[in-house]
Amino acid sequence: SAVISQKPSRDICQRGTSLTIQCQVDSQVTMMFWYRQQPGQSLTLIATANQGSEATYESGFVIDKFPISRPNLTFSTLTVSNMSPEDSSIYLCSCLLSGGNQETQYFGPGTRLLVL
Amino acid sequence: LAKTTQPISMDSYEGQEVNITCSHNNIATNDYITWYQQFPSQGPRFIIQGYKTKVTNEVASLFIPADRKSSTLSLPRVSLSDTAVYYCLVGIKAAGNKLTFGGGTRVLVKP
Repeated sequence: SAVISQKPSRDICQRGTSLTIQCQVDSQVTMMFWYRQQPGQSLTLIATANQGSEATYESGFVIDKFPISRPNLTFSTLTVSNMSPEDSSIYLCSCLLSGGNQETQYFGPGTRLLVL
Repeated sequence: LAKTTQPISMDSYEGQEVNITCSHNNIATNDYITWYQQFPSQGPRFIIQGYKTKVTNEVASLFIPADRKSSTLSLPRVSLSDTAVYYCLVGIKAAGNKLTFGGGTRVLVKP
């Protein structure tokens, strides 16, 4: 299994500013993912972040708005740039672990963002 | 990625067995079925994963019929702490296992 921590756990930001969310994994992993979850809604994948390569973004998400760093095998950051109230959401990171014949994604606790 | 359909919500009582059925009619040959549990203010937690027939672990059982167009998550003897949202996901078990989360099923366990 993997234990993932995220910082900050929550934040209130002004529109037009940027926030960087940190994701730390307690083991080395190749693949990490960033999701967004509106309160009461399901999760939407923002991007896949592999160490050593550029992040791959899903439809509707662009690098200029959500730049991602993946400097090593245990850490990633997601920046929410030029924020607007529509960016208010919960942002979660996850990592992929393989073991035996099973692949599992482990999730962090999420970062709750409110943009005023 | 195969789309999944689950009931929006289910109510149960402590000690009962809860069965949540997920439909995935266009599941592909290489797709696996994975279930996650999410409590409020927490990230989803892996419950169980399977490809066909039956899989059981210490938490739940997963039943998958031969045609694999549906699957049923079975939670034995639920307690109040099992109140959560349960997500059924279908995806390729390979590097890049992108998960597409559907709406999930909100399970409320009552005393």
